[in-house]
Amino acid sequence: KQEVTQIPAALSVPEGENLVLNCSFTDSAIYNLQWFRQDPGKGLTSLLLIQSSQREQTSGRLNASLDKSSGRSTLYIAASQPGDSATYLCAVGSNTPLVFGKGTRLSVIA
Amino acid sequence: DAGVIQSPRHEVTEMGQEVTLRCKLISGHNSLFWYRQTMMRGLELLIYFNNNVPIDDSGMPEDRFSAKMPNASFSTLKIQPSEPRDSAVYFCASSLDVTDTQYFGPGTRLTVL
Repeated sequence: KQEVTQIPAALSVPEGENLVLNCSFTDSAIYNLQWFRQDPGKGLTSLLLIQSSQREQTSGRLNASLDKSSGRSTLYIAASQPGDSATYLCAVGSNTPLVFGKGTRLSVIA
Repeated sequence: DAGVIQSPRHEVTEMGQEVTLRCKLISGHNSLFWYRQTMMRGLELLIYFNNNVPIDDSGMPEDRFSAKMPNASFSTLKIQPSEPRDSAVYFCASSLDVTDTQYFGPGTRLTVL
């Protein structure tokens, strides 16, 4: 059974810092990995999707990497802003469509 | 496109009552997913459909839960009878195909007293 872990559970950084969020998964037989953002009281917004054949994806200040063999993914956020404050969830697609981690709650302090 | 639409946004009901949650998919999407989110367990997949057919309902907690897709653009999740432990936020999401990017609705916050 696929299990997804996100560390740390919460993170607080000053504005302007670069930061890395971590995601690990137990079964490397995946077809893709997605990073989502969730604002309080809202639904999830897809940020990046990495297919199993890819190593990374970039969108603006966000860069996600995937190392299938080690069961790890990272989400890199450059030059963080207060508007980046949210919960970030990693989700892995394997034998069931998506298995989610519990997320990292990010606070960017102005 | 309006995105995935869910109704109601909030539902408060008493234990034993029937609850029906509704979801309208993004036009052209063929896959539909129902999730439940709680602080303790995070986001859990309940059931998903592809081309209106239920593919995997192993996440449905009990027989009290049922889901249908009466047509290609609409789905319902029903809880009968409801219990306090069903209190959670229920999300639906749709995608072009099962392995594509999922687009989430705003969720229904259910409180069972």
